[in-house]
Amino acid sequence: DAGVIQSPRHEVTEMGQEVTLRCKPISGHNSLFWYRQTMMRGLELLIYFNNNVPIDDSGMPEDRFSAKMPNASFSTLKIQPSEPRDSAVYFCASTRDYTDTQYFGPGTRLTVL
Amino acid sequence: GESVGLHLPTLSVQEGDNSIINCAYSNSASDYFIWYKQESGKGPQFIIDIRSNMDKRQGQRVTVLLNKTVKHLSLQIAATQPGDSAVYFCAEKGAAGNKLTFGGGTRVLVKP
Repeated sequence: DAGVIQSPRHEVTEMGQEVTLRCKPISGHNSLFWYRQTMMRGLELLIYFNNNVPIDDSGMPEDRFSAKMPNASFSTLKIQPSEPRDSAVYFCASTRDYTDTQYFGPGTRLTVL
Repeated sequence: GESVGLHLPTLSVQEGDNSIINCAYSNSASDYFIWYKQESGKGPQFIIDIRSNMDKRQGQRVTVLLNKTVKHLSLQIAATQPGDSAVYFCAEKGAAGNKLTFGGGTRVLVKP
């Protein structure tokens, strides 16, 4: 199994630019989670999907953040416009229905200058 | 809101000794708990989990203990090795939904 795949692994951009992070969950998993990790706030859940439908987006910081899951094998997290305070490592995780163990991808390290 | 162990202490342990990492949780309705290991530059990696109807669960070199009375979770690593150096996170899940709430993590440093 390839595991959760995220791209890009590193992203450096300038303030005001649009950033799109991508995630491919493990095949057969139907719940997908986006997290943000910073030294100050630790691991925070931003949003999660079940069967491609957003279930809980209460962790999304503000309207600049949006996430989509057009099909079972792909999700995006978009930040527009990006700000320096968005700099963090963004993780995607997935799990199979009726199980609770989430499997994490390698993360995308985002730096907004 | 509910929280799980928000601090990031550091545990320094001699190679070969046993390690014990502790975690306090506050949601008495949580029914599932999990430990993750995160090495530098990598995503959290599943170690072991336990459900609220159990007090203890063992894996390879790891044991998780759950004390629901005092809402405490611990991870024991036997014969700690240099490869065990990482940040360890506990997480809990409530009875409803799929959300995991993570603690702040504990850094384990293994001295040769």
